[in-house]
Amino acid sequence: QKEVEQDPGPLSVPEGAIVSLNCTYSNSAFQYFMWYRQYSRKGPELLMYTYSSGNKEDGRFTAQVDKSSKYISLFIRDSQPSDSATYLCAMSFAGNTPLVFGKGTRLSVIA
Amino acid sequence: DAGVIQSPRHEVTEMGQEVTLRCKPISGHDYLFWYRQTMMRGLELLIYFNNNVPIDDSGMPEDRFSAKMPNASFSTLKIQPSEPRDSAVYFCASSLRGPNLSNQPQHFGDGTRLSIL
Repeated sequence: QKEVEQDPGPLSVPEGAIVSLNCTYSNSAFQYFMWYRQYSRKGPELLMYTYSSGNKEDGRFTAQVDKSSKYISLFIRDSQPSDSATYLCAMSFAGNTPLVFGKGTRLSVIA
Repeated sequence: DAGVIQSPRHEVTEMGQEVTLRCKPISGHDYLFWYRQTMMRGLELLIYFNNNVPIDDSGMPEDRFSAKMPNASFSTLKIQPSEPRDSAVYFCASSLRGPNLSNQPQHFGDGTRLSIL
């Protein structure tokens, strides 16, 4: 079993929809949880960054971490065509240690 | 502010040749990470440095791979000899240790797309 599981999609939604992306993980020692967005032929760009369990909101984006279920989510409200990209979840055990990534979910938002 | 800078952006070379990938981290960052991204395996760590010292190279696939960080503003990843299965996108990322040893997020360059024929 891979440490971090993420549905690869592709996921296609109409503009304005609420998008839900999620990852599950197997190692309860993960402490830091991140979501990155990656456009084609570009590097991952940090979207959300959380420590331990709880919710975090930034504009149209909300990240949720449920450590008891080993489950993290990213919600995108009022999705836009510019949100079309691959979304990667990532997590780490401690500060400034390597990230373990999901394989990414490809999202298309159709105008 | 300049982000993480990688060069070259694309590299196409023949099997057996030496390949050198370069990375300039964000100024002031004291951690540097090399990752490799493939369709089959996603993004995986190769090696990382703290204050120019290699901390964990357990992700380096074979002795053909080596990495150095001669100073705080430059790192190289070398493959010698290269093989077709090394074809992938190689990313460099950097981060800064925050106050009270808090974790700071990693910022990525745009990668080097490597093709070994």
